[in-house]
Amino acid sequence: SQKIEQNSEALNIQEGKTATLTCNYTNYSPAYLQWYRQDPGRGPVFLLLIRENEKEKRKERLKVTFDTTLKQSLFHITASQPADSATYLCALSRSNDYKLSFGAGTTVTVRA
Amino acid sequence: NAGVTQTPKFQVLKTGQSMTLQCAQDMNHNSMYWYRQDPGMGLRLIYYSASEGTTDKGEVPNGYNVSRLNKREFSLRLESAAPSQTSVYFCASSPQTGSNSPLHFGNGTRLTVT
Repeated sequence: SQKIEQNSEALNIQEGKTATLTCNYTNYSPAYLQWYRQDPGRGPVFLLLIRENEKEKRKERLKVTFDTTLKQSLFHITASQPADSATYLCALSRSNDYKLSFGAGTTVTVRA
Repeated sequence: NAGVTQTPKFQVLKTGQSMTLQCAQDMNHNSMYWYRQDPGMGLRLIYYSASEGTTDKGEVPNGYNVSRLNKREFSLRLESAAPSQTSVYFCASSPQTGSNSPLHFGNGTRLTVT
């Protein structure tokens, strides 16, 4: 069965450093990969979408890579700030498929 | 601009009781979804509605029913609540049903079944 795995442990980093989160998948051939941010007690908020034929995508301090050979996406937060502290979810979908499958998320804490 | 609004925010039920979770969106989106989120697990799709008048089962539909009342509203009903249904329920919407369409989520309903 398909499996989506994100960093199992929480990530604690110093302000100003780069946070790198991983999303690995097995038994799956996604066409699209999305990243969401979720704050405690709130719903997820969409951040970025990357297609299978795109290697990298950037938005402000965020960068996402998508390697279909390694079956992995990396999510980078550069020059991290305490306001970046949240849980980050990856989600995958196939082409022409309504269903978005989510990972369990990685919690990031940025220390001032 | 409210986005996706869910009510109630919290609910406690006894086993066997029924209730309806309400969801409304004001973004004129065609597609709406219900997910549940449990600790250590990813969001799991319960039901979705590609457009007004249609509903389909997702990954974990057992024990739930839905109604797409109109384009704005999509409700989730638990006919006979069970402790296994203790979870946080999220409603989401998107402009259309498609694998590259980002979802807009509400802030959830926290349900406890005792």
